[in-house]
Amino acid sequence: KQEVTQIPAALSVPEGENLVLNCSFTDSAIYNLQWFRQDPGKGLTSLLLIQSSQREQTSGRLNASLDKSSGRSTLYIAASQPGDSATYLCAVKTGNQFYFGTGTSLTVIP
Amino acid sequence: DTAVSQTPKYLVTQMGNDKSIKCEQNLGHDTMYWYKQDSKKFLKIMFSYNNKELIINETVPNRFSPKSPDKAHLNLHINSLELGDSAVYFCASSRSAHSSTDTQYFGPGTRLTVL
Repeated sequence: KQEVTQIPAALSVPEGENLVLNCSFTDSAIYNLQWFRQDPGKGLTSLLLIQSSQREQTSGRLNASLDKSSGRSTLYIAASQPGDSATYLCAVKTGNQFYFGTGTSLTVIP
Repeated sequence: DTAVSQTPKYLVTQMGNDKSIKCEQNLGHDTMYWYKQDSKKFLKIMFSYNNKELIINETVPNRFSPKSPDKAHLNLHINSLELGDSAVYFCASSRSAHSSTDTQYFGPGTRLTVL
């Protein structure tokens, strides 16, 4: 069964720093991998989706990479801002199912 | 215009009661999901419907029963509520259950508290 792990569980950085969030999964037979953002008390918002045949996707200051063979993905956030503070979750699609990691809680200090 | 909406947003009830949570999506998607997020923020799928047919039914107590009257709605009914049912329940939808480009769109969540 697919297991998704995210490290670190929490991260605190000063504004302006670049940072990397990590996601690993145990079963490489995935359709895609998504990164989501969750603000306190809110639902999830999709940030980036990488198909299994792709290596990376970019949107603004965000860049997500995928190494399917090693079961890893990273989310790179450039020039972090206080508004980036949220919980970031990765999810992999295997068959019909989406498996979520436990998230990384990010705090960007002004 | 809200894409995926859930009602109610908050639900506080006593143990043993029966309650329902409603979900509607106006995106024209074929597939809808129910997730449970526990106190540790772990998000776990409960059910998925594709074109009103159940396609994912994870190991959840049979006190939980989903109902999809049409493609745009997926409701969750919970019988005989227990303390451990307290969590945030998220509804989500996606275009298709079988696409590699599929993005899920989430509702705002329903925070259920069982006393």
